[in-house]
Amino acid sequence: QSALTQPASVSGSPGQSITISCTGTTSDIGTYNYVSWYQQHPGRAPKLLISEVSYRPSGVSNRFSGSKSGVTASLTISGLQAEDEAKYFCSSWTSSSTLEWVFGGGTQLTVL
Amino acid sequence: QVQLAQSGGEVKKPGASVKVSCKASGYTFNVYYLHWVRQAPGQGLEWMAWINPNTGGTEYAHKFQGRVTVTRDTSISSAYLDLSGLRSDDTAVYYCARGGQGRQGPIAYWGQGTLVTVSS
Repeated sequence: QSALTQPASVSGSPGQSITISCTGTTSDIGTYNYVSWYQQHPGRAPKLLISEVSYRPSGVSNRFSGSKSGVTASLTISGLQAEDEAKYFCSSWTSSSTLEWVFGGGTQLTVL
Repeated sequence: QVQLAQSGGEVKKPGASVKVSCKASGYTFNVYYLHWVRQAPGQGLEWMAWINPNTGGTEYAHKFQGRVTVTRDTSISSAYLDLSGLRSDDTAVYYCARGGQGRQGPIAYWGQGTLVTVSS
């Protein structure tokens, strides 16, 4: 059981927008702005899309955006493209036991 | 460019130990935290540990304490993950990944992963 809760799957048609939620607790997302989002294609290492809730690293498409409200973070992908079909993971810094990072279980995005 | 090159796949028997290496290049090794994250087949990501390459200081996820040791050799810009008492549920791809200059910095760069298979 992952520390952060994500929906198992979401889907959308090309050109549409989708949002993936990531729910934590007051020990992680609710307290810290160290929330990241990753994209992972099959057989590949994860790729950082968003850090510190909403910061987009250089080279990441502006179709990806992040936000946070309370204990829930969200990743929005606009203008869906076929290449966006992948698994998406959220992560957060946590102080629940040791000082460490926790991940969500991942959300499979299907582009219809 | 930042690169993290990991050692090759391993097959181990239950109860054995495994050591995975990670050689960094393209940046100043001592400046950025290194993390170890694993992913069981078809499963999510699981953070295991971080090391401060400058001081050698480490932090381990509670689940792995007593079984995992992370070390580094600054002379060759490399870090190592030692996992002992292997069980079948330790079968996973193990990633080293570069974090930020502080322990809360984003995990931004990932190695290619090392598949460790535990089987009798």
